[in-house]
Amino acid sequence: GQQVMQIPQYQHVQEGEDFTTYCNSSTTLSNIQWYKQRPGGHPVFLIQLVKSGEVKKQKRLTFQFGEAKKNSSLHITATQTTDVGTYFCAGLGGTGGSQGNLIFGKGTKLSVKP
Amino acid sequence: DSGVTQTPKHLITATGQRVTLRCSPRSGDLSVYWYQQSLDQGLQFLIQYYNGEERAKGNILERFSAQQFPDLHSELNLSSLELGDSALYFCASSVVASGSYTDTQYFGPGTRLTVL
Repeated sequence: GQQVMQIPQYQHVQEGEDFTTYCNSSTTLSNIQWYKQRPGGHPVFLIQLVKSGEVKKQKRLTFQFGEAKKNSSLHITATQTTDVGTYFCAGLGGTGGSQGNLIFGKGTKLSVKP
Repeated sequence: DSGVTQTPKHLITATGQRVTLRCSPRSGDLSVYWYQQSLDQGLQFLIQYYNGEERAKGNILERFSAQQFPDLHSELNLSSLELGDSALYFCASSVVASGSYTDTQYFGPGTRLTVL
């Protein structure tokens, strides 16, 4: 079935270093969403990308949607301890039983050492 | 606070038992989604309801069922519980969900189920 893969699974950085997580789909996505889950918390919506090649920025966070709409990335510049958490990408399923459902990647768990 | 409420927060039960998890969506949201989150599997979509009707099904076991009531709250029923059912169960809501565009999903705080 349709899959969304995310790498890396874990990332440990020193505060101030940059961080990037990558998301790849086995099929073309209608759109992609990014969520952040703090330790002990619930996923919180960050952003949605819809257009091919789209780039959006939120302060130190930069989100990109690939030209083929099969991959996406989230880049954090100069990480802070408040960035700690798990970042999930989620793509809208377009085929078979996944149609219309959000398919989540397994997430990248970010830890930041002060 | 997302506006989505879930009860109970924690649930401890034994194998073979049946439990019901409850979710109230954000005011105005018509869609409710249920997800299971376990340590090694990430967020697994279980089922979606839209305005009282089942809209989509994911990897939901036959032992699990759900419904959405006229007041739009939803319940997830888990029966014949097994140790492997221990997980966090999240409910999320959104305004609508069409075939080609997905609204933002707002997640509740989750119910942590422990099966002993």
